[in-house]
Amino acid sequence: QKEVEQDPGPLSVPEGAIVSLNCTYSNSAFQYFMWYRQYSRKGPELLMYTYSSGNKEDGRFTAQVDKSSKYISLFIRDSQPSDSATYLCAMNYGGSQGNLIFGKGTKLSVKP
Amino acid sequence: GAVVSQHPSWVICKSGTSVKIECRSLDFQATTMFWYRQFPKQSLMLMATSNEGSKATYEQGVEKDKFLINHASLTLSTLTVTSAHPEDSSFYICSAPGQGFSNEQFFGPGTRLTVL
Repeated sequence: QKEVEQDPGPLSVPEGAIVSLNCTYSNSAFQYFMWYRQYSRKGPELLMYTYSSGNKEDGRFTAQVDKSSKYISLFIRDSQPSDSATYLCAMNYGGSQGNLIFGKGTKLSVKP
Repeated sequence: GAVVSQHPSWVICKSGTSVKIECRSLDFQATTMFWYRQFPKQSLMLMATSNEGSKATYEQGVEKDKFLINHASLTLSTLTVTSAHPEDSSFYICSAPGQGFSNEQFFGPGTRLTVL
């Protein structure tokens, strides 16, 4: 079993839809959870991070962590065509900045 | 936010040649930088940690003699792919930790390497 599992998609939704992206993980030692957005042929950019169970909201984005289920989610409200990208979840043990474990990424396409 | 640049953005080379990729932190200093590799439809895999003033730390399975890393200054790390082979064709991305959130990393735009 891989440490981080993420459905690669692709996921196609109409503009304005609510998007739900998810990752599961196997190692309960993970402490920090992040979502990155990666446009084609570009480096990832950090969207959100959290280190505790619960929800964290930032504009149209909500990150949710359920440590008991080892499950994290990213919700995008009122999705826009500009949200079309690959979304990668990432996590690490904390204290070691380099050891980010990434999911495969989910490719999202928002149709106008 | 902090900006990390990479050069070149893409490179095509012949098998057996060496290719150098530069990673620069433009508006902040980075004593540590990270090098990742991303194959098509795969996740980013950490290759090595570049440390200013000391040797790089390589992840298991990464050949240190093939992927030479030099952290020449507080703003520059280089990755040299020596004796490149077609299977080394990939997207190479560097990152540097930010000053705020302790686990945030700022990524460069990546370098696409194609070995013929």
